[in-house]
Amino acid sequence: DQQVKQNSPSLSVQEGRISILNCDYTNSMFDYFLWYKKYPAEGPTFLISISSIKDKNEDGRFTVFLNKSAKHLSLHIVPSQPGDSAVYFCAASDRNFNKFYFGSGTKLNVKP
Amino acid sequence: GEEVAQTPKHLVRGEGQKAKLYCAPIKGHSYVFWYQQVLKNEFKFLISFQNENVFDETGMPKERFSAKCLPNSPCSLEIQATKLEDSAVYFCASSPGTLLNGYTFGSGTRLTVV
Repeated sequence: DQQVKQNSPSLSVQEGRISILNCDYTNSMFDYFLWYKKYPAEGPTFLISISSIKDKNEDGRFTVFLNKSAKHLSLHIVPSQPGDSAVYFCAASDRNFNKFYFGSGTKLNVKP
Repeated sequence: GEEVAQTPKHLVRGEGQKAKLYCAPIKGHSYVFWYQQVLKNEFKFLISFQNENVFDETGMPKERFSAKCLPNSPCSLEIQATKLEDSAVYFCASSPGTLLNGYTFGSGTRLTVV
């Protein structure tokens, strides 16, 4: 049973506009969340994280929002750039930090 | 090294053959994780190690799959008697002991069982 879900397999955005990637989770024990970015034939690379004690974390063009009551998080990229085109995975862990559970990814295409 | 090195990049095995995948974690990282990604879907957790000890093996199939992390050697994931459904990309990741910045992943080994 998949505990982290990314329901949009793909997203296409014009360069300069906002990209919003969504992620839902089912396990209320999840306490810590990450976003990873993956290019073809490479491993995922860490992008940004958020702890459940916060509802927002910002790093340059990337902002992650967490809505604990809805068990939902989102990644905003503003402004989107063609180099942002990749597959984005969200991941969640409980406070034991034993491992991360991953969603199935959203493929973002930023058009020039 | 400063990267997680996985070998080989590609591996083709006939059904029923053995497959062995290797992972050298980043020096100083005490945790190693193996994930399986089938058909570009979600990453399925297989097993994790703390140094040479199994930390969490709740994702490992009970049969045919085994893994080791021995001192002074790359970690390994071995699949006995491969099946078609084992075809996947297998990612190894390592972590220094805190997961606050997640894992550092290798670039994966693509296993194709024919």
